[in-house]
Amino acid sequence: DAKTTQPNSMESNEEEPVHLPCNHSTISGTDYIHWYRQLPSQGPEYVIHGLTSNVNNRMASLAIAEDRKSSTLILHRATLRDAAVYYCILRLNNAGNMLTFGGGTRLMVKP
Amino acid sequence: KAGVTQTPRYLIKTRGQQVTLSCSPISGHRSVSWYQQTPGQGLQFLFEYFSETQRNKGNFPGRFSGRQFSNSRSEMNVSTLELGDSALYLCASSYRLGLADYEQYFGPGTRLTVT
Repeated sequence: DAKTTQPNSMESNEEEPVHLPCNHSTISGTDYIHWYRQLPSQGPEYVIHGLTSNVNNRMASLAIAEDRKSSTLILHRATLRDAAVYYCILRLNNAGNMLTFGGGTRLMVKP
Repeated sequence: KAGVTQTPRYLIKTRGQQVTLSCSPISGHRSVSWYQQTPGQGLQFLFEYFSETQRNKGNFPGRFSGRQFSNSRSEMNVSTLELGDSALYLCASSYRLGLADYEQYFGPGTRLTVT
C-alpha cells in the first residue's frame, strides 16, 4: 500500500486558517486521497476526499498537488472543536474498504 | 438517519475469558469493518464484511473473529482474552464495497479492558 507522511503535531490559533500537509510520493494513479479526523474520545470522522482536483465541502478544503505526490487539508477558520488527530489515507479503488491509518497529525487549537 | 451504534460502550473482562462486541451500521449500509485502536499500535484493521461474507482480514490471530447477519449488523468475538487485547474497538460502515470514492462512518467504539 502507498504510504503517507504527516507531521506529528501542529498548533493553530482559533479563527485562523490551518493547513495540514500530507506527503504521498508513491501514490498510484487510481489512489484516492482521504482525510479523517478523530476528536478526543470519539471514533474517526470522515472529513473529505479527492482524486485529482481540489475539493471543497462544508468542513474543509482539499488541495492536491499537480503531481499528486502531496496534498493539504485546509480548515478555513479553526475552532476549538477542530482540535483532533487528522489522518491522511490513500485508498485504492476496488481494493476493499480497509483504511490504513498512519500516526496522523495532532492539531492543537489555542484560544 | 441514525449513526453507527456499538454496544456495549465499556466492558471489563478477565484474562482467558471471551467477549462479543456488537455493531449496527447506518441503515442501508451493507459493509461493516472493524478496527482495533491502542496507544502503541494506533488504528489497525481487523476485518471487513459485506453481505454476510468476510471480504478482507487484517493481521490478527485467529482468536479474533467476526460475522455479519442478514440485516447487516455485525459482531466480533475475541476468545481467550489477553492483557494486550485491551483497546478501543471501532466499527465502521459504508454503503458500497471497495469503491474508494465512498466515505466510511465510524461508531463511538467499545472500550475493552482486560484485567
